[in-house]
Amino acid sequence: KQEVTQIPAALSVPEGENLVLNCSFTDSAIYNLQWFRQDPGKGLTSLLLIQSSQREQTSGRLNASLDKSSGRSTLYIAASQPGDSATYLCAVDSGYSTLTFGKGTMLLVSP
Amino acid sequence: GAVVSQHPSWVICKSGTSVKIECRSLDFQATTMFWYRQFPKQSLMLMATSNEGSKATYEQGVEKDKFLINHASLTLSTLTVTSAHPEDSSFYICSARGGQGDTQYFGPGTRLTVL
Repeated sequence: KQEVTQIPAALSVPEGENLVLNCSFTDSAIYNLQWFRQDPGKGLTSLLLIQSSQREQTSGRLNASLDKSSGRSTLYIAASQPGDSATYLCAVDSGYSTLTFGKGTMLLVSP
Repeated sequence: GAVVSQHPSWVICKSGTSVKIECRSLDFQATTMFWYRQFPKQSLMLMATSNEGSKATYEQGVEKDKFLINHASLTLSTLTVTSAHPEDSSFYICSARGGQGDTQYFGPGTRLTVL
């Protein structure tokens, strides 16, 4: 059974810092991995999707990497802003189109 | 991009009543819809997978008679929480995808509070 772990559970940084969120998964036989953003009481916004054959994806200030063999992914946020404050979720699709989610990293970026 | 809506966005009900939550794909046909539940500070957990026109497949530990799922059309799936109890209070999120291997698009979620 796939298990997804995210570290740290919470992170507080001043505005402007670059930061890294970590995601690890136990079964490396994955179809793809997604990073989502969730604002309090809201649904999910997909940020980046990395196919199993890819090593990284970039969108604006966000860069996600995938090392399937080691069961790890990182989400890099450059020049963080207060508007980036949210919970970031990592989810793995193990090939049956059902997603296994981590518990998320709660990010707070202070002005 | 593809849009998935949910209705209502929040609902408060008395214990013992039933609540229906709708999930709609607005600009694409969703052959498969997924229902997730999220308790505070916990992961989203898949409850069930529904394919249009067929019975839903429930995850282990999810009572199919309590959480009724109907996927009657390619754009609509409903989740009915029957005889709701306070422990059913949670955030329910649906997602939809067009075809096998396609990206899942998530709805905004429904906050259910059972008094």
